[in-house]
Amino acid sequence: EPEVTQTPSHQVTQMGQEVILRCVPISNHLYFYWYRQILGQKVEFLVSFYNNEISEKSEIFDDQFSVERPDGSNFTLKIRSTKLEDSAMYFCASSVAQTQYFGPGTRLLVL
Amino acid sequence: AQRVTQPEKLLSVFKGAPVELKCNYSYSGSPELFWYVQYSRQRLQLLLRHISRESIKGFTADLNKGETSFHLKKPFAQEEDSAMYYCALAQDFGNEKLTFGTGTRLTIIP
Repeated sequence: EPEVTQTPSHQVTQMGQEVILRCVPISNHLYFYWYRQILGQKVEFLVSFYNNEISEKSEIFDDQFSVERPDGSNFTLKIRSTKLEDSAMYFCASSVAQTQYFGPGTRLLVL
Repeated sequence: AQRVTQPEKLLSVFKGAPVELKCNYSYSGSPELFWYVQYSRQRLQLLLRHISRESIKGFTADLNKGETSFHLKKPFAQEEDSAMYYCALAQDFGNEKLTFGTGTRLTIIP
């Protein structure tokens, strides 16, 4: 059964550095999402992406964040200048028929 | 704005006993409701959605619009049901974002 994949599984970075989190959605899916979960808190929506553009974004998704689908398979989340509070688990998801399938997540730690 | 509430952070149930995980929502429109499960060290995976009216792994959930609830139930708990359970809501159009509850950690006591 096809699955959403994410790389890396863990990333440690220094505050102020740029990070790129990568996702490969399921191949016939058209909608893509990023969520995050700060330790001990709920899963929060960041952004949704369809037809090569952002369809919706949350208040969390400020100018420090960007998403891109650079080729036919990858979907990336970039954080330009990381802050301590960006430390979280980041989940990618893709959907078909309004059912979202999640990747295993990338645990980001900002020091 | 939509909101999902799961009042129990932790729930322990003996094996063979009935399970009910509570979920309440607030949303002015007609929502799509989901239950996602996360087993230890695994990804979030869809357990069931209300429009499917399915029973998955013995779990069922009924959308009660009057009480704005979507409680998850299973008549006889099994040890492999121990996991984190998240209730989630999507707006009833397009492929919209999911709004999650805080989750309930279910532990089945052997």
